[in-house]
Amino acid sequence: AQSVTQLDSQVPVFEEAPVELRCNYSSSVSVYLFWYVQYPNQGLQLLLKYLSGSTLVKGINGFEAEFNKSQTSFHLRKPSVHISDTAEYFCAVSLNDMRFGAGTRLTVKP
Amino acid sequence: DTGVSQDPRHKITKRGQNVTFRCDPISEHNRLYWYRQTLGQGPEFLTYFQNEAQLEKSRLLSDRFSAERPKGSFSTLEIQRTEQGDSAMYLCASSPRPDPYEQYFGPGTRLTVT
Repeated sequence: AQSVTQLDSQVPVFEEAPVELRCNYSSSVSVYLFWYVQYPNQGLQLLLKYLSGSTLVKGINGFEAEFNKSQTSFHLRKPSVHISDTAEYFCAVSLNDMRFGAGTRLTVKP
Repeated sequence: DTGVSQDPRHKITKRGQNVTFRCDPISEHNRLYWYRQTLGQGPEFLTYFQNEAQLEKSRLLSDRFSAERPKGSFSTLEIQRTEQGDSAMYLCASSPRPDPYEQYFGPGTRLTVT
């Protein structure tokens, strides 16, 4: 069975600084990988996904992630964060059903 | 396209009561998913439908839980004899036929069992 580990439960960062949210997965077969964002009192919104092809995936709001098969990682990055990026971020892996990590709370401070 | 909608947004009930939640997916999305999310955790998969057929159910979906999608459009999730441990956010998502992996989530129904 597949599973996801998000290595940081909270990441505080100052505005305009770069950020990396870490995600490791485990699976015995090839899987699809996703990052979702959840703003307060809202549903989850897809940031980006990796299905196949280029290992560097670009998503919305300036986020990108890199699939690393040898390290079984799918870390999310943004070169310069804004206050509005403050939210909960979830990494997920899908084969038949979607398995989510526990989430990383990104707090961007002025 | 109005997105996935869920009703009610909040539900407070007493232990032992039955509750039913509704999810309206994006029109023409043939897949519909239910998840449960507890505080500080990511969503946990409960079940999914392809059209009206329920194709997969998680072990989390005990006998007290039942989900239906009778006409392949909206879906209901019923919890019978609620317990305090059922308190959570219940999320619904839908995905289109060409891209089943792109799930669109609703705002969720927050259930509090007292």
